[in-house]
Order: sequence, then C-alpha cells, then structure tokens
Amino acid sequence: GAGVSQSPRYKVTKRGQDVALRCDPISGHVSLYWYRQALGQGPEFLTYFNYEAQQDKSGLPNDRFSAERPEGSISTLTIQRTEQRDSAMYRCASSSGTSANTGELFFGEGSRLTVL
Amino acid sequence: QKEVEQDPGPLSVPEGAIVSLNCTYSNSAFQYFMWYRQYSRKGPELLMYTYSSGNKEDGRFTAQVDKSSKYISLFIRDSQPSDSATYLCAMSGKGGSYIPTFGRGTSLIVHP
Repeated sequence: GAGVSQSPRYKVTKRGQDVALRCDPISGHVSLYWYRQALGQGPEFLTYFNYEAQQDKSGLPNDRFSAERPEGSISTLTIQRTEQRDSAMYRCASSSGTSANTGELFFGEGSRLTVL
Repeated sequence: QKEVEQDPGPLSVPEGAIVSLNCTYSNSAFQYFMWYRQYSRKGPELLMYTYSSGNKEDGRFTAQVDKSSKYISLFIRDSQPSDSATYLCAMSGKGGSYIPTFGRGTSLIVHP
C-alpha cells in the first residue's frame, strides 16, 4: 500500500480481555517500530523489528505485551489481560534501511485502544 | 527527569510571526536530531533532520543543534495557519541505535 496501515483504528474492550493490533508497513521497509502515544504526549518506544527479528523490546511495559513479525512484513502487537492503564494510541512506523539512518520513520494513523 | 524535555505549550502566534520551538536533552550520546510535525488525529511526519551540531535550512524552516548545551531548536519564518500542529523533537544515535526518542511535543497555533 501507499502508507503504513493499522487495524483496527478503534478498539474498545473490557478489562481482562486480550487484544491484537495489526500493522502493515510500507512495502519493502525492513524496519518496523511500535510506539504508544498517550494524549498530549510524544510517542513512547515499545519495540523494534529488523526484518522478522525483534531487535529491541526494551520498551514493552511488562510481559502482558508481546509483538511478532513472523514473515518480516505484517506485525501484530498483542496485549493480554488488558488493564485500563493500557488505554492509549498505539502507533506503528516503518523505515527503509537508509531512511532509518536519517531518522525518517513513516507512521501509521494508529490504533486507539480503550479499556473499560 | 525525561531524556528529552519539551514545553507542551500551546504556543499561539499571529500569521507571519517567527516561531521558535525548543527541546533540551540529557544524554550527550545522541547524535541525530529530528523534528516531526503531527497534525490532529494524524501520525507524526518527519520535517527536518540534522546530524550533530549546526544549522540546517529548508524553506521557511531552520533546525539548529547545540550539542555543547544539549539544546535544539526549530525556527519557522513567516508562519502560516497551515503550520498549526504539534511539533515533536526526536533524537537517536545513543549506543549505535537509530530508534528515535521523542519529546512530548509543542502545540503551535497560528491564527490569521
């Protein structure tokens, strides 16, 4: 596609349920990032993939959060046993091998998660 | 203390004004400095990128980095209502990582 695509755009769930957020990066982009953005805040790093390898997961808040990118393209961020504090905008970004050096990440429009 | 500090604003200016947006940071290992612009309900988009200290100009925008003071700036000349957005500074390069660390963003409003 033309840009980074995320789904669902909006997700409302009850506390304790599991959610899966999907990211389809720009075709050919080798690097994929997940960030979380609270209202009025900047994006907070969660995890990073280079191809299918999860290179950095230091930003994942706890073991309820996990991510995968099994074929080096589409990625899924999974949150198990959701809590109200997980409510936020989850943003995916991708970059090519060269754009990563210039800091140019291409962001999707995000998935807004609300946990009741 | 956060690694990257940025005043959230909002900053309200009249059309045509010169705007100055700033960030400070604490980790001297950062080498790459970026400004992203984020319109309401949209994802951030890269506006400017600079490496190490110095100035970079692109049209009405000038990015400035002072590594000795750990201070970066973005200047917008002849500001337009279409510049109204949140401006996020970001930086990377510590420990060889290109993963950007973002500031919280400054909300800019340019009124006609």
